[in-house]
Amino acid sequence: ETGVTQSPTHLIKTRGQQVTLRCSSQSGHNTVSWYQQALGQGPQFIFQYYREEENGRGNFPPRFSGLQFPNYSSELNVNALELDDSALYLCASSLPGQPQHFGDGTRLSIL
Amino acid sequence: EDQVTQSPEALRLQEGESSSLNCSYTVSGLRGLFWYRQDPGKGPEFLFTLYSAGEEKEKERLKATLTKKESFLHITAPKPEDSATYLCAVQGGATNKLIFGTGTLLAVQP
Repeated sequence: ETGVTQSPTHLIKTRGQQVTLRCSSQSGHNTVSWYQQALGQGPQFIFQYYREEENGRGNFPPRFSGLQFPNYSSELNVNALELDDSALYLCASSLPGQPQHFGDGTRLSIL
Repeated sequence: EDQVTQSPEALRLQEGESSSLNCSYTVSGLRGLFWYRQDPGKGPEFLFTLYSAGEEKEKERLKATLTKKESFLHITAPKPEDSATYLCAVQGGATNKLIFGTGTLLAVQP
């Protein structure tokens, strides 16, 4: 059984640029959640997708957006990057009502 | 406001020295409390889900318990490979999001 995979593993961008992060969910999982984890902090919920529809959103500005595809893979897009966006971005997949399983994340650095 | 507080922030143990990690929470309508382990440079690895006060779950040297206000992760006779950050999270109300604490960094020395 393949787990959650994320790409790329590391990324360096400059302020004002845009970035797209990708996530392949665990086989059979139709729900994908995205989290931002700053250094030394717990993950913070960005949003969740269920069957290609946004199904909840945390306290993040609209420049954070996402998509879920028919095969349940997902993208996180961030526009107008700011220095504070530097963090580990985690994707988690699950079935409804079941525990979320995480990938190893994308480390995003903003210069 | 839903909130999770973990203590201590860091814990250093000798191999074989048992201890407990604490997770205090406030949430409207608890649907589940989750424990994860996170190694450096990796994503959180699922350990346990607890759903109601009084529930206990065990896995190898780890045992998780739940009351109406807090959860404990008991580590019995830890080994150096148990060294990691342990994260607690809750899920409550109508939302599916996980609310995480800041974690406890555990170091087990041989």
